[in-house]
Amino acid sequence: SQTIHQWPATLVQPVGSPLSLECTVEGTSNPNLYWYRQAAGRGLQLLFYSVGIGQISSEVPQNLSASRPQDRQFILSSKKLLLSDSGFYLCAWSHGTFYEQYFGPGTRLTVT
Amino acid sequence: EDQVTQSPEALRLQEGESSSLNCSYTVSGLRGLFWYRQDPGKGPEFLFTLYSAGEEKEKERLKATLTKKESFLHITAPKPEDSATYLCAVYTGNQFYFGTGTSLTVIP
Repeated sequence: SQTIHQWPATLVQPVGSPLSLECTVEGTSNPNLYWYRQAAGRGLQLLFYSVGIGQISSEVPQNLSASRPQDRQFILSSKKLLLSDSGFYLCAWSHGTFYEQYFGPGTRLTVT
Repeated sequence: EDQVTQSPEALRLQEGESSSLNCSYTVSGLRGLFWYRQDPGKGPEFLFTLYSAGEEKEKERLKATLTKKESFLHITAPKPEDSATYLCAVYTGNQFYFGTGTSLTVIP
């Protein structure tokens, strides 16, 4: 069966510090991978998606970047965090692009 | 402008009181409409995919239906464990959108 991992679970970072969130998927190959952000009480905002190694599509201009160095690894990064980067970050995977996505447990990021 | 709207924003039901959640969309060229359940502090859990108007899917106390303009998630005789936020999402082949969700509370 497939499993998706995200870490860390929670993170408190000062403004201006760098960020690296990691997501890995087990039990499948060549998955589509996604990064979402969910602000408190709001819906999911798609940040990036990837259909293959090194292929990243960005949905919104922002202070973040994503990379996919291996087939089942997806990394979300920032060089300098802003207060507005606070939120709940979710990674997901799917077989078909945007179909039936399976989400990880999320990372709660607080920028102070 | 393409849009996905969910209503109501919040819904409180007594245990056993059936009701429906709505997801309306104005996108063109719908490829798929998806329902997810999200518990507080957790990632969403996939429930259903609907592809075309008239299609219905069921799972336990949940039934999802689709028309050309909206989808309904019917909850029959809900239990407290059905309390969660229910999210819908649509995919057009070019764009993908999540709604803001309906927060459901089922009171024992």
